[in-house]
Amino acid sequence: KQEVTQIPAALSVPEGENLVLNCSFTDSAIYNLQWFRQDPGKGLTSLLLIQSSQREQTSGRLNASLDKSSGRSTLYIAASQPGDSATYLCAVLTSGTYKYIFGTGTRLKVLA
Amino acid sequence: EPEVTQTPSHQVTQMGQEVILRCVPISNHLYFYWYRQILGQKVEFLVSFYNNEISEKSEIFDDQFSVERPDGSNFTLKIRSTKLEDSAMYFCASSEGFVTGELFFGEGSRLTVL
Repeated sequence: KQEVTQIPAALSVPEGENLVLNCSFTDSAIYNLQWFRQDPGKGLTSLLLIQSSQREQTSGRLNASLDKSSGRSTLYIAASQPGDSATYLCAVLTSGTYKYIFGTGTRLKVLA
Repeated sequence: EPEVTQTPSHQVTQMGQEVILRCVPISNHLYFYWYRQILGQKVEFLVSFYNNEISEKSEIFDDQFSVERPDGSNFTLKIRSTKLEDSAMYFCASSEGFVTGELFFGEGSRLTVL
């Protein structure tokens, strides 16, 4: 059974810092992995989708990497801003299934 | 920009009542999902749907739940007899492709069961 873990659960950083959020999954047989952002009381906004054959994806200040064999993905946020404050979720689509399994999320606060 | 829309945004109901949550996925998307999130907890999978059939459902998705795509644009989740523990935010999501498609979520429907 696929399990997805995110560390740390919460993170508070000063504006301008580069930071790394971690996502681990127990079953490495995946189709893809997706990173989302969730603001309080809101829906999930897609940030990056990484296919199983890819190593990384970039969008603006965000870079996500995938190491399937070790069951890890990282989301790198460069030059963080207060507007980046949100909960970041990773979700994994495991081979042979039709469902994304979500991690518990990392609650990020960027201080001005 | 195309988006997934959900109605209602908030519904309050009495225990035992039937509730229908509605979603309009992005128009060229083929794969549809319902998830839920109890306050302060993880986003949990309920059901996936493709080609007018359920692809997969979770243990949560028991006989009191059903999904339907009645008219080619709407995708509904029905809860037949609501329980207190059904109180949660329900999210609809859709994607164009299964493996290659990015998953897009609606803003959610908050269900409160009294």
